[in-house]
Amino acid sequence: DIQMTQSPSSLSASVGDKVTVTCRASQTISSYLNWYQQRPGKAPKLLIFAASTLHSGVPLRFSGSGSGTDFTLTISSLQPEDFATYYCQQSYSTPLTFGGGTKVEIK
Amino acid sequence: QVTLRESGPTLVKPTQTLTLTCTFSGFTLRTRGEGVGWIRQPPGKALEWLAVIYWDDDKRYSPSLKNSLTITKDTSKNQVVLTMTNMDPLDTGTYYCAHESTITIFGVPRESYFDFWGQGTLVTVSS
Repeated sequence: DIQMTQSPSSLSASVGDKVTVTCRASQTISSYLNWYQQRPGKAPKLLIFAASTLHSGVPLRFSGSGSGTDFTLTISSLQPEDFATYYCQQSYSTPLTFGGGTKVEIK
Repeated sequence: QVTLRESGPTLVKPTQTLTLTCTFSGFTLRTRGEGVGWIRQPPGKALEWLAVIYWDDDKRYSPSLKNSLTITKDTSKNQVVLTMTNMDPLDTGTYYCAHESTITIFGVPRESYFDFWGQGTLVTVSS
């Protein structure tokens, strides 16, 4: 199985801050990497697929980069609605696997 | 507009079989590259992929749960059903179904992603 490791597991930030979340795969996965946002009590929502493609309707302050084993999700200017948990997921091979999540909290 | 909705029991006893139904609209599950997957989330924990079924009836399962999972589809009813045998209290959590899209280049499938999710259904395993 491909293990996905996210860091940090949590972070505190203020509205307007630039936030970066990283995800590392245990083996190369090319660009087969997706990012999801999950607000408390809600289902996950797709933000970015294929490492860097923004899903329809997702604000431009979200961006993704990386290839191979190391990936990054960046929020350029944190907004109040962005406080949530973020998950990466690889689709390179089954079993599909998710990272442990990064909780973004209000400072 | 793509929607998915999970339904099934909220409480099952240990050793019982869980049957969850995902009823969808806005797609047919007959289009090349389409799939419907199941993902679960124990309370306060991360997401865990369980299984997926594709437009051509190809099925994939989590190896750790393969012996207890069965996924089927009924496109005439726009439904995907997941059954999970021998339920354990550790299987307690929210179960989601999600639409999976696959990028295809020159007929070759590449990256896939879960672009639409149901609201989830909480299943508690307890005697």
